[in-house]
Amino acid sequence: DAMVIQNPRYQVTQFGKPVTLSCSQTLNHNVMYWYQQKSSQAPKLLFHYYDKDFNNEADTPDNFQSRRPNTSFCFLDIRSPGLGDAAMYLCATSIGRDEQYFGPGTRLTVT
Amino acid sequence: AQSVSQHNHHVILSEAASLELGCNYSYGGTVNLFWYVQYPGQHLQLLLKYFSGDPLVKGIKGFEAEFIKSKFSFNLRKPSVQWSDTAEYFCAVVYSSASKIIFGSGTRLSIRP
Repeated sequence: DAMVIQNPRYQVTQFGKPVTLSCSQTLNHNVMYWYQQKSSQAPKLLFHYYDKDFNNEADTPDNFQSRRPNTSFCFLDIRSPGLGDAAMYLCATSIGRDEQYFGPGTRLTVT
Repeated sequence: AQSVSQHNHHVILSEAASLELGCNYSYGGTVNLFWYVQYPGQHLQLLLKYFSGDPLVKGIKGFEAEFIKSKFSFNLRKPSVQWSDTAEYFCAVVYSSASKIIFGSGTRLSIRP
């Protein structure tokens, strides 16, 4: 089945220790998104790739970076995680502005 | 500014009750409208969407939504809810002038068995 896969599902990192979350898709969608979702809140868009074009949200901290080496893969790098970065990180894909398909998320814990 | 409002933060209903969740968006030209649902411990999934045509759209699991252009609204309805409808519901909008989706703050729906 075509899908959006996120690894790992759970990630524990230490304060200040860099961490990378990964997302892959078999849908061949041209747009990929990274969201941060905290408990009982709406997903907050961090950035997205429209094809190869990177679009950063104005309020996304510099601590968050992303890479999309090819259509199928997208990575979220958190250079120096703080306690406030503990959250669920969601990857999603779409064809243009059509519906988004979400992965199961990676729950990040910062100790 | 482009925005989406969901006025009901938490709705509690008994089984078989009718449901209507409100969603309003700010004016910004042509829009694509979505309702997503997040069941406890599961990922976000699409309930229904509206791009054009018949303003009354039907989605999965008996849900429907009505696009009222004059009111900038896209309310979600279900005639008779079930306990399994307990979830967080998010309204979302994509403006034609932008390539990203804007989510509402969500409505938590709790169903009493």
